[in-house]
Parts: sequence; C-alpha cells; structure tokens
Amino acid sequence: SQTIHQWPATLVQPVGSPLSLECTVEGTSNPNLYWYRQAAGRGLQLLFYSVGIGQISSEVPQNLSASRPQDRQFILSSKKLLLSDSGFYLCAWGDLTAPGYGYTFGSGTRLTVV
Amino acid sequence: AQTVTQSQPEMSVQEAETVTLSCTYDTSENNYYLFWYKQPPSRQMILVIRQEAYKQQNATENRFSVNFQKAAKSFSLKISDSQLGDTAMYFCAFGETSGSRLTFGEGTQLTVNP
Repeated sequence: SQTIHQWPATLVQPVGSPLSLECTVEGTSNPNLYWYRQAAGRGLQLLFYSVGIGQISSEVPQNLSASRPQDRQFILSSKKLLLSDSGFYLCAWGDLTAPGYGYTFGSGTRLTVV
Repeated sequence: AQTVTQSQPEMSVQEAETVTLSCTYDTSENNYYLFWYKQPPSRQMILVIRQEAYKQQNATENRFSVNFQKAAKSFSLKISDSQLGDTAMYFCAFGETSGSRLTFGEGTQLTVNP
C-alpha cells in the first residue's frame, strides 16, 4: 500500500535560519507531489507541485523553494526564514493515472519562526 | 480555471443531529471528480467521500453522504447522527480527469456540541 512520510512534525526556527522539510512516498512510482501551507484556521495555499524528478512548478513567489531529487522525494527549503513563513506545511501525493482517488496527505509540519 | 466556494466559514450542530455543509464550484468540464476532506484538530487531512461527475448516484460512506447537483454545480456534504469526533475543518475539492491536481475551497469549521 502507498504511504507518505513527512518530517519533522514540529519545528521552531529563528528568523534568518535555513529550512529543510522532507516528504517521501512509498509504494508507488512517478507520483505527482505537492507542498501546501496552511495558516491557523484557514484554507490550503498551494506552494509547489512536481510531476517528475527535477520538475518543479511554483504557485506563489516567496522565500521558499522546492526540489525533487528522487522520484519519491520532495523537499521544501529556504535559505533564510522570515516570520511570515510560520504555518502548517502539508505534503501530498496524487496519482496521475488515478485522479479519481484524490490526494493522500502527509501528517504535516508545524513551523514556528521566532 | 476552476473555483470552489464554501460559503459557510463556521457551523455547529448538536450531537446526534444532522448537518449539511455546502459547496459550489465552477468549471467548463463535463467530467471531473469531487471530494470532501476532513481535518480534525490533529490537522491530518482525511478523505471523507468522493464523487465522480459522470455518476448520477450520490456517494455515501456510512454516516456521510453527498447531494451532487451537476447542473447547479453544487456538492453538499450531509453528516447524519453527528458525533463529537466529527468536529473538524471540512474542505471541498475539485479534481480534473487529466492530472491529479485538486482545487480546494476555503473550508468550513464544524463544531459538534454535546
């Protein structure tokens, strides 16, 4: 069965420090991968999505970047965090060959920039 | 581009009662998928129910059912016999048949009161 792992679960980082959040998928190949950010009590903001290794599409110009070094690995990064980067980050994967199944989400990372 | 609208930011219901969450969407596609996701306080996103637009029969999953009105572009979620564990943010989502990307509504925060 397919599973998705996201870590760390929580993170407190000072302003100006770097960031690396990782997401990996098991049990499938060539998944479509997504990074979302969610403010408290708010909706989902799509940050990046990837349809293959090295293929990244950015939805919102910002202080963040994403990379996909391997088929089932998706990384969200920042060189220097801002206070406004605080939020809840969700990774998700979707199957291009089975769009009717929607997304499977990771358990999320709660990032607090202090 | 598709849009998804959830017009009820917050709702509440008494335990054991029935509640309906509204969702409307805009698309020029004839075939597509619709989903309801639940995000409890743990913030894990959980798929509740899905509907294929070419199927006229409304989807049901135990206490959860949908009222899919294709002509009206409406996709409401009915929760019967509400339980305290149903307290969560509920997101409506639209998916195309090509690709796996979903478009989400802004969410409805449902509180089930004892």
